Amino acid sequence: AQSVSQHNHHVILSEAASLELGCNYSYGGTVNLFWYVQYPGQHLQLLLKYFSGDPLVKGIKGFEAEFIKSKFSFNLRKPSVQWSDTAEYFCAVRGGSQGNLIFGKGTKLSVKP
Amino acid sequence: DAGITQSPRHKVTETGTPVTLRCHQTENHRYMYWYRQDPGHGLRLIHYSYGVKDTDKGEVSDGYSVSRSKTEDFLLTLESATSSQTSVYFCAINGGGGTEAFFGQGTRLTVV
Repeated sequence: AQSVSQHNHHVILSEAASLELGCNYSYGGTVNLFWYVQYPGQHLQLLLKYFSGDPLVKGIKGFEAEFIKSKFSFNLRKPSVQWSDTAEYFCAVRGGSQGNLIFGKGTKLSVKP
Repeated sequence: DAGITQSPRHKVTETGTPVTLRCHQTENHRYMYWYRQDPGHGLRLIHYSYGVKDTDKGEVSDGYSVSRSKTEDFLLTLESATSSQTSVYFCAINGGGGTEAFFGQGTRLTVV
């Protein structure tokens, strides 16, 4: 069965600090990978996605992620966080013929002004 | 925003009663999903559908059933609600292939 692991439960940073959130998945076949963000009280919104091609993917709001197939990883990065980035971040993987979409447990990011 | 609507948005129900949540989409997407979100557990897949009348179980399907009689509607039923099913429920839709999933606004269900 597919699974997604997010290593950090809660990350606290000061504004302008760099961010890296870890994500590892377990699925040996072709996968689609996603990062979603959930601002307080809201639904999930897509930050970025990887299907194929360049393993370095750029998303909205200055976020990027790197797909490393050999490590089954898809880590999220941002060079300089802002207070408005305070949210919960979810990594997700879709694989298999039926399009099953599995999420990690999420990482809560708190950015101090 | 993608055309996806969940109803109701909030519901309080008593233990032992059946409850049905509705997810309606206007995007004609093939895939539809029901998740529950709980603190410390992230989003856990309950059931999903890959076409009309084609559904499958997710990670936490016990106590839930689903139906999809037409492309636009995906119903989640709690056959006999329990307090452990108090949660926020999200529906998502996806067109397959190289597309992302879009989420509904969520339904906050409280079982007392």
